Amino acid sequence: DAKTTQPTSMDCAEGRAANLPCNHSTISGNEYVYWYRQIHSQGPQYIIHGLKNNETNEMASLIITEDRKSSTLILPHATLRDTAVYYCIVRLRDSSYKLIFGSGTRLLVRP
Amino acid sequence: GAGVSQSPSNKVTEKGKDVELRCDPISGHTALYWYRQSLGQGLEFLIYFQGNSAPDKSGLPSDRFSAERTGGSVSTLTIQRTQQEDSAVYLCASQAGPLYNEQFFGPGTRLTVL
Repeated sequence: DAKTTQPTSMDCAEGRAANLPCNHSTISGNEYVYWYRQIHSQGPQYIIHGLKNNETNEMASLIITEDRKSSTLILPHATLRDTAVYYCIVRLRDSSYKLIFGSGTRLLVRP
Repeated sequence: GAGVSQSPSNKVTEKGKDVELRCDPISGHTALYWYRQSLGQGLEFLIYFQGNSAPDKSGLPSDRFSAERTGGSVSTLTIQRTQQEDSAVYLCASQAGPLYNEQFFGPGTRLTVL
């Protein structure tokens, strides 16, 4: 079962920052937070991951609270191409490292 | 470089027939995953391969589903005696190794069982 809770949908204006929240209150110490997104009719795409420190890459920033019970994915300057379903995943680094997807957040970027 | 490829992109079959779905992972990637996404549903894990062995088959929904991987590369997912509830997009992902972070997904095979 997915261990995360995300809003069903959000929207933001093109060029503005998109802040996507995720609750993972039952996360354990050896579990990472991953974000993937799925643009319509495509396979999911990796965005970013983190354990407890904030992370930034060319796509996004990930802010994880100090207690690790929630996180926020930030797309600093959203474009129309960022319209997608965004999945927050708590991933146990066990023997398979499989991804357990929840229902995600459908982000609509408005022109 | 070449990403993960899957074939066919679309497959329409009749109930009761067997189907084979193929996944070509990124060259050199030792880890391979199969997922499926039913209409309006999220992605559901099916099976994981490390090399040619499948240490995690926990997501296969019934014994009609099986998968193999040969030469540490191509994988085939086989569904026997297909049912209408098998209709879904079947996604394959590869990962450089078990300790790597990013799974690279293919475009999927859309299976429709009539």
